[in-house]
Amino acid sequence: DTGVSQNPRHKITKRGQNVTFRCDPISEHNRLYWYRQTLGQGPEFLTYFQNEAQLEKSRLLSDRFSAERPKGSFSTLEIQRTEQGDSAMYLCASSSRLDSGNTIYFGEGSWLTVV
Amino acid sequence: AQSVSQHNHHVILSEAASLELGCNYSYGGTVNLFWYVQYPGQHLQLLLKYFSGDPLVKGIKGFEAEFIKSKFSFNLRKPSVQWSDTAEYFCAVTGSARQLTFGSGTQLTVLP
Repeated sequence: DTGVSQNPRHKITKRGQNVTFRCDPISEHNRLYWYRQTLGQGPEFLTYFQNEAQLEKSRLLSDRFSAERPKGSFSTLEIQRTEQGDSAMYLCASSSRLDSGNTIYFGEGSWLTVV
Repeated sequence: AQSVSQHNHHVILSEAASLELGCNYSYGGTVNLFWYVQYPGQHLQLLLKYFSGDPLVKGIKGFEAEFIKSKFSFNLRKPSVQWSDTAEYFCAVTGSARQLTFGSGTQLTVLP
């Protein structure tokens, strides 16, 4: 499978703990996105990388959230001091600068439950 | 800022009925428009997209959408739905920003 890969797929954590999610984009896609989705809602944009540079961050991304893409390939999203309101599906997506329509391809997501 | 409205939150149809899901966007410039589908337990998949040319776009599984610039709309249609079309459908737009802005989604239930 050469799609966007995310892990872990499910994470249950206690409030106050830190969690980290990993995303491997489609090979050679230079653009990488993180979104958050809660039940009954559409995905909400969190942050965007072009290669290793983090170019955009949503106001939804509080200072407890940090994302990295150190070598311009895989990315990590870390949530520190988790809160119950952080419970959601965290989606990673990627696209290619060579695609003029900028079609964005999504991974299967990482479910986070904070108890 | 760009935004997307999907007015139908839940649509229930019988098999073979025709489908039209509404999508309106708010953005004054050039847009790229997308419909994504999320089947139960699966990830978001691209159904179709519009970024230029013919405003009537055909996608996978018999779906099509029409971009009407004057109405800021990009409605999704299918002449005859199947039980396997039961899923959540999301309209999305990219404008000046590279990221997608999604609507809140429409849950489609097709009764056999």
